Amino acid sequence: QVQLQESGPGLVKPSETLSLTCTVSGGSMSTYYWNWIRQPPGKGLEWIGYVYYTGSTNYNPSLKSRVNMSVDTSKKQFSLKLRSVTAADTAVYYCARFRGGGDPLDYWGQGTLVTVSS
Amino acid sequence: DIQMTQSPSSLSASVGDRVTITCRTSQSISSYLNWHQQKPGKAPNLLIYAASSLQSGVPSRFSGSGSGTDFTLTISPLQPEDFATYYCQQSYSNPYTFGQGTKLEIK
Repeated sequence: QVQLQESGPGLVKPSETLSLTCTVSGGSMSTYYWNWIRQPPGKGLEWIGYVYYTGSTNYNPSLKSRVNMSVDTSKKQFSLKLRSVTAADTAVYYCARFRGGGDPLDYWGQGTLVTVSS
Repeated sequence: DIQMTQSPSSLSASVGDRVTITCRTSQSISSYLNWHQQKPGKAPNLLIYAASSLQSGVPSRFSGSGSGTDFTLTISPLQPEDFATYYCQQSYSNPYTFGQGTKLEIK
């Protein structure tokens, strides 16, 4: 059974960089697209972007200028960096995967709350 | 961006009822429409993909239909564990947008 687990600081200061890692277990990273999605408290879901197992990326245009994603298949991990955060970036951040273009997000991590506050 | 509009935003129903949630997209997405269920404090869980295909392990009381711009999720009969928030999501084009959610509550 594939499992994904997010990790990283739960508190980030405004203007700093949010950094999260997702660790994959129970399956291969090959041929999959590895995604980040976020959900502000009490609100809906926003897709942030994905990194393919080869390292190629695709980001939501609304966040593209501040986002960087990377993958390390040897560690079975992929990462999110979001620069210049504000309170509006406070959210539960989820990692998830899909198999290919048009496919659904079929496995999700449990999510981690990141609060942006001084 | 493809806009996703779910209706209703909230819904009260009883165990044993049949409920239908609608998702409308701002442009045609063929059948690239997925439904996720989210319970409080939990990650979303995939129920239906490609508009009408049931994800493995999901009970058959869940069903989906539609193509183009209009889609529905039907649950029948409702069970106590089905009270949750439901999101539609398109996997047709970047950015992969979600509906605003439909909260299904016990009457």
